[in-house]
Order: sequence, then structure tokens, then C-alpha cells
Amino acid sequence: QKEVEQDPGPLSVPEGAIVSLNCTYSNSAFQYFMWYRQYSRKGPELLMYTYSSGNKEDGRFTAQVDKSSKYISLFIRDSQPSDSATYLCAMSELYSSASKIIFGSGTRLSIRP
Amino acid sequence: NAGVMQNPRHLVRRRGQEARLRCSPMKGHSHVYWYRQLPEEGLKFMVYLQKENIIDESGMPKERFSAEFPKEGPSILRIQQVVRGDSAAYFCASSPEQSSYNEQFFGPGTRLTVL
Repeated sequence: QKEVEQDPGPLSVPEGAIVSLNCTYSNSAFQYFMWYRQYSRKGPELLMYTYSSGNKEDGRFTAQVDKSSKYISLFIRDSQPSDSATYLCAMSELYSSASKIIFGSGTRLSIRP
Repeated sequence: NAGVMQNPRHLVRRRGQEARLRCSPMKGHSHVYWYRQLPEEGLKFMVYLQKENIIDESGMPKERFSAEFPKEGPSILRIQQVVRGDSAAYFCASSPEQSSYNEQFFGPGTRLTVL
């Protein structure tokens, strides 16, 4: 069993739709949860991070963590064609100092104009 | 402030040759990480280094792969006697000495193709 499971998609939705991306994990030691966005043939860029259960909102993006269920989500409201990319969930055991990050396999998202 | 720099961006090697991938962290960053991304897969951690020290190499293959981050100069990921299965995108990330959260800044990657 992988430490982090993520549906690879691809996921195609019309512009303006609400997008829901999800990951599950098995390691209870994970404390720090992130979402990265990766455009084709580019490096990943950090989109959002959180280290507690609950919701965190940033503009059109909301990250949700449920530690009891070992489940994290990213919601994108009013999706735009420029949101088309691969979204990687990621997590680490430490949040206050440097440590390795474990990534999901990524969900490829396409927003249709 | 330049971001993480990696070179070369593309590297082609024949089986049995050596590949050297270089990473210059962001200015002021002293932590470097290497990740490998196979086609259609997420990033897999390989190694975490600080200046002149390997902190965590739990993701490094036991043979043919090595990494260093010298006192001066870029971090180097070295793959000896490459095989076709080494073909992948290799990403470097860096983070500062002191950080309130574990943010790693990624470079554009080096795409290695083994013929």
C-alpha cells in the first residue's frame, strides 16, 4: 500500500465549475499537508499548506484536512482554463523543520473553456 | 532573487555512461533535496542534503547513485552506468535554514533520457 493515494484522473470540467481533488494517506505521523500545482514540463509550485485538521481558504482555493479519516481535499471554485495542470497532494512528518516530502501521484485537471 | 536553478535542462546519455545533474539552491538556502519523477507518476524523494552533509538518503537506490552538496558550488546528483530505467525528470528543491513551515522551492528539473 502506498503511503499516499491520489486518483490520477484525468479530470475534465467546464470553466466555472467547482473542482474537488482528494488524497488519502496511511501514515499517522504526517503532520503537514500541502498541495502543489505542476504545469506541463515545469517544476511543482506550492499552492497551499496546512498542519491541522479543518479548512484553509486562499482566494478560489480551499484546502481541507481530516486527520481522523486520513483524508485531504483541495477545492477550486470558479475554475479557469489557467487552472489546467497536474495537482499533487503532499505531506511530511515535520512542519517546523526541513524533512522529506511524500507526494501523491498527481491528478491531471483540464478546465474546458 | 533567482529561484532554484538546475542544469542541464535536458540530458541524453547512452546506457553505461555517467550522468551528472547540477542544482544551485535559492540564495540563502542551505537545504537541498532531490526528487525523481517517472512518467505519469508523482515525485519520489531521493536524498536530503545540507552543506557537506547527507541528512537523509533513504530514497536513493543503493547502487550507481550518489549525491553531494559541497561547501562551495552546486549540489550534484551523479548516476553511474545509466540504464533505460533511469530515464525520468529529476527535480531539485531547496529550503532555508530557518523556516516556520516545511516549504521547499522546486527547480525546473532535468529531464534525463537514456538511449
